[in-house]
Amino acid sequence: DAGVIQSPRHEVTEMGQEVTLRCKPISGHNSLFWYRQTMMRGLELLIYFNNNVPIDDSGMPEDRFSAKMPNASFSTLKIQPSEPRDSAVYFCASSLFPGTVKEQYFGPGTRLTVT
Amino acid sequence: RKEVEQDPGPFNVPEGATVAFNCTYSNSASQSFFWYRQDCRKEPKLLMSVYSSGNEDGRFTAQLNRASQYISLLIRDSKLSDSATYLCVAYSGNTGKLIFGQGTTLQVKP
Repeated sequence: DAGVIQSPRHEVTEMGQEVTLRCKPISGHNSLFWYRQTMMRGLELLIYFNNNVPIDDSGMPEDRFSAKMPNASFSTLKIQPSEPRDSAVYFCASSLFPGTVKEQYFGPGTRLTVT
Repeated sequence: RKEVEQDPGPFNVPEGATVAFNCTYSNSASQSFFWYRQDCRKEPKLLMSVYSSGNEDGRFTAQLNRASQYISLLIRDSKLSDSATYLCVAYSGNTGKLIFGQGTTLQVKP
């Protein structure tokens, strides 16, 4: 079975450019999470969706970040304009909610470098 | 103060050693706890759940002390392949979120 799919795997862009990260959750999962990981701050939850509806976006750093989930099999995280401090690994994860097991399945991540 | 705190390490141990990691959490409403493992430049993956009664999976033992808000992971007979970062995680049904600690890095040496 396919796991969580993310694209691109690596992205290098210049400051001020728009960046779009994509995620396809595991089929049948109805919760989707976007995380950011840096050495300094560890793994931070940015936003999550249940049944395509954003539930908590309190982790989104600022208005430059936006996320959408137009359907159950696709989500995007957009940064516009990008800044060097946005450089990080961005993970998407999915799970089944509500479920007796709280395991989240992570995608391989997108390594973003903003120069 | 972070909601889930861990000693980042690194812990450098020889093969065959027993090593223990500790973690504390501040939100007493947290309902479930987990240990995730993250290999270098890879995504986190669930290692095991943590129960008040303690649970064991092969060489790995996890314990939860709700009174002290403390979680532990014990690895016996450590292998080179155990080298990774171990993330302590708390789940709150109220928020539906997993809260990750910073992770503890383990390096097992031959």
